[in-house]
Amino acid sequence: NAGVTQTPKFRILKIGQSMTLQCAQDMNHNYMYWYRQDPGMGLKLIYYSVGAGITDKGEVPNGYNVSRSTTEDFPLRLELAAPSQTSVYFCASSKEVWNEQFFGPGTRLTVL
Amino acid sequence: LAKTTQPISMDSYEGQEVNITCSHNNIATNDYITWYQQFPSQGPRFIIQGYKTKVTNEVASLFIPADRKSSTLSLPRVSLSDTAVYYCLVGDIRSNYQLIWGAGTKLIIKP
Repeated sequence: NAGVTQTPKFRILKIGQSMTLQCAQDMNHNYMYWYRQDPGMGLKLIYYSVGAGITDKGEVPNGYNVSRSTTEDFPLRLELAAPSQTSVYFCASSKEVWNEQFFGPGTRLTVL
Repeated sequence: LAKTTQPISMDSYEGQEVNITCSHNNIATNDYITWYQQFPSQGPRFIIQGYKTKVTNEVASLFIPADRKSSTLSLPRVSLSDTAVYYCLVGDIRSNYQLIWGAGTKLIIKP
């Protein structure tokens, strides 16, 4: 199993550009999550999904969108990138909400 | 919203037992308490999870008092490789509580 994979590893965006961060898991997990982690801080939940076709907002959803058309994939879309979105983005998955979360390696995004 | 408070940093020495306490005064009835470890440039990794009393696995123990307003992660006989940031996570997205991660405790193990 590859676990949770994320692409790209690094990206630099200009203000106003858009991009999609890819996340995939091969563990047949129901729950998937997107977090951002600012330097020296804990993780903040952006969006999560309880299964294909079902998504919901987390703590900091503004400026982001998600979709979940399959169990495996959970892309995160940034529209109109802003410097405040400079962060490391982690995708995670878990079988059920009370189970441990498995994290991907992260995407380091810089918006200039 | 559930909120966790942890010490910002701790130091210890190889071979010692390390205890990291997390306060979560507003924990809800359905909330689990989960601890994760994070190394630089990596995603967090699950260590242990509990609901009440004591839980032990091959790497750590988790002590939760009856009122569940705090919890203590215990790492026995730490080594240099245990140097990392440790996060306490309390919450359950099935309720109105979000998954609120604290700022974490940076643990430095010295030789």
